[in-house]
Amino acid sequence: DAGVTQSPTHLIKTRGQQVTLRCSPKSGHDTVSWYQQALGQGPQFIFQYYEEEERQRGNFPDRFSGHQFPNYSSELNVNALLLGDSALYLCASSLTMNTEAFFGQGTRLTVV
Amino acid sequence: SQQGEEDPQALSIQEGENATMNCSYKTSINNLQWYRQNSGRGLVHLILIRSNEREKHSGRLRVTLDTSKKSSSLLITASRAADTASYFCATDNSMEYGNKLVFGAGTILRVKS
Repeated sequence: DAGVTQSPTHLIKTRGQQVTLRCSPKSGHDTVSWYQQALGQGPQFIFQYYEEEERQRGNFPDRFSGHQFPNYSSELNVNALLLGDSALYLCASSLTMNTEAFFGQGTRLTVV
Repeated sequence: SQQGEEDPQALSIQEGENATMNCSYKTSINNLQWYRQNSGRGLVHLILIRSNEREKHSGRLRVTLDTSKKSSSLLITASRAADTASYFCATDNSMEYGNKLVFGAGTILRVKS
């Protein structure tokens, strides 16, 4: 049973560019959430997708957008990259409320 | 903003000793989850405790929850060098869809062999 998989593992982008990160949830899970983790800090919630719609959103600007596909996989898009967007981006999947959220290995994004 | 706060920020112990980490939070919750993270990689889920539960065990892990004090603790017994990692608590207080987790800054655990 594959867990949560994310791609790519590492990415280097230039300030002002756009980036797309991908996530496949754990088998049987239908909800995908994205988190940003800066160095030395805990992860911060970006947004959550369920039934192909954004259901919950954290305190992130509109430059951060996402999508969920019919097979429950998801993409995170960040436009107009800033140096401060450099972080580990984590995807988590879950099934219903009040259940465990399982995380992928993350995508390390470096903006130069 | 981060709701949970772990204490201590860092902990260094000898192999075989027990490690206790604490987490405090600010609002009512549906559940609290503990995670481990090795060297800035992905988070490994350790245990989930619901708001109506007081204690849960999983192998060498014991988690307690005191909703009156808005606090939780994670005990790792008979620690091993492989337990060296950062440990995070995450609270879920979302009313509708769940799993909008709020993390603390974590406790860095070092187990010396």
